Amino acid sequence: DIQMTQSPSSLSASVGDRVTITCQASQDISNYLNWYQQKPGKAPKLLIYDASNLEAGVPSRFSGTGSGTDFTFTISSLQPEDIATYYCQQYDNLPPTFGGGTKVEIK
Amino acid sequence: QVQLVESGGGVVQPGRSLRLSCAASGFTFSSYGMHWVRQAPGKGLEWVAVIWFDGSNKYYADFVTGRFTISRDNSKNTLYLQMNSLRAEDAAVYYCARDRDLRGSGYFQHWGQGTLVTVSS
Repeated sequence: DIQMTQSPSSLSASVGDRVTITCQASQDISNYLNWYQQKPGKAPKLLIYDASNLEAGVPSRFSGTGSGTDFTFTISSLQPEDIATYYCQQYDNLPPTFGGGTKVEIK
Repeated sequence: QVQLVESGGGVVQPGRSLRLSCAASGFTFSSYGMHWVRQAPGKGLEWVAVIWFDGSNKYYADFVTGRFTISRDNSKNTLYLQMNSLRAEDAAVYYCARDRDLRGSGYFQHWGQGTLVTVSS
């Protein structure tokens, strides 16, 4: 199975700050990498697909980059409604696997 | 719009069985691979199983192989997960998720709201 290592596991930032989360795959996954947002008590929501493409309806402050084994997710200007846990996920091979999650809080 | 509604969760004793359902609407159900993904309380996301658009292929996570069975009824637009020999560690919210394509590449484009399974004596 492909292991996804996500960091940090949690972070605290101020409204308006730039927030960056990294995700590393245990082997080359090309760009088969998605990012999801999960708010407390809710289902995950797809934000970024194929490493860098914004899902329809998702605000442009969210972005993703990377390919191969190293990926980055960025919130350009943190908003109060962005409080959530974010997960990366690879779908290069079955089983699809998730990173451990990054809990984002407001400072 | 795409809607996925899970049902069938509840409290079950270890070793017993439970069947989850996921009713789909707002898209052509028979054209997409479908998944079950679970999340134990306070934990991360864990893929469980996938079934291709026509039910011809099914794949499972190692930890459920032989105990869980994924199936679908395209005439009823419904996905199922039959869970047998349940263990305490199977306790989780179970989500159904629609893939992006026919075969279920592992791309979770749409999610249901989840159904809670509690395994306790």
